[in-house]
Amino acid sequence: GQNIDQPTEMTATEGAIVQINCTYQTSGFNGLFWYQQHAGEAPTFLSYNVLDGLEEKGRFSSFLSRSKGYSYLLLKELQMKDSASYLCAVGRDSNYQLIWGAGTKLIIKP
Amino acid sequence: KAGVTQTPRYLIKTRGQQVTLSCSPISGHRSVSWYQQTPGQGLQFLFEYFSETQRNKGNFPGRFSGRQFSNSRSEMNVSTLELGDSALYLCASSSGTDTGNTIYFGEGSWLTVV
Repeated sequence: GQNIDQPTEMTATEGAIVQINCTYQTSGFNGLFWYQQHAGEAPTFLSYNVLDGLEEKGRFSSFLSRSKGYSYLLLKELQMKDSASYLCAVGRDSNYQLIWGAGTKLIIKP
Repeated sequence: KAGVTQTPRYLIKTRGQQVTLSCSPISGHRSVSWYQQTPGQGLQFLFEYFSETQRNKGNFPGRFSGRQFSNSRSEMNVSTLELGDSALYLCASSSGTDTGNTIYFGEGSWLTVV
C-alpha cells in the first residue's frame, strides 16, 4: 500500500540543528516534497528531491534515499520562526495526487 | 506573478446550509487540488481538476463537489453542512503536466459551521 511516516512532534533549541525524518512506501515513486506550515497558515514549498542525495538551500537541506524509502529535512541554526509543522509528501508516476504524511510539529525553545 | 487566490478567507455557516469556495490558480497552471485540514490534522485530499476534468478524488461523501472552469479557476461546494465540516479548506495549483510538479497553496478558506 501507500504510506508515509514522520514523527508527530520534535523539540529543539534555538541555534541548534534538527533532522526530521520521513519514511515512505509507495509504488511508482516520482519525487518527495517538503512543506512548512505555520499554525493557521497555508503550507509553503521548501524542497523537492527526485534523485538520491542531499539538496541544500541555505539553512535547510533535504536528503533522499530511494532504495531505503527514506528522506530527511535538516534545519541548521534554528530560529524561533522555524517553529512550525513540516509536511512530507510523495509524488507517484501514475497519479497526480500526492500522498501526504501527517506532519511533524517542530517546537523551538530559547 | 500572483499566487493562488482563495475567497472568501473566513465564513460562518449554519448546519444544513451549503457553501461555495473559490480558487484562482497561478497564471498558466491548469491543475487545481482541494484539501481539508482540521485542527491538528494532516491534509485530507478532496479532489483534483485538470483542464475542467476531475482527475482524482479523495474519500469524501458526495456532499463535497467541485468544478473547474475554462480559465482554470475552480470552485468547491459543500451541501447540507455538518458541524464536522468546520475546517481550513486549501486550494493548491500546479502546471499539472508531470506528477513531480510542485504544488502551491493558497491562503485557505476558514469555514466554521455552527
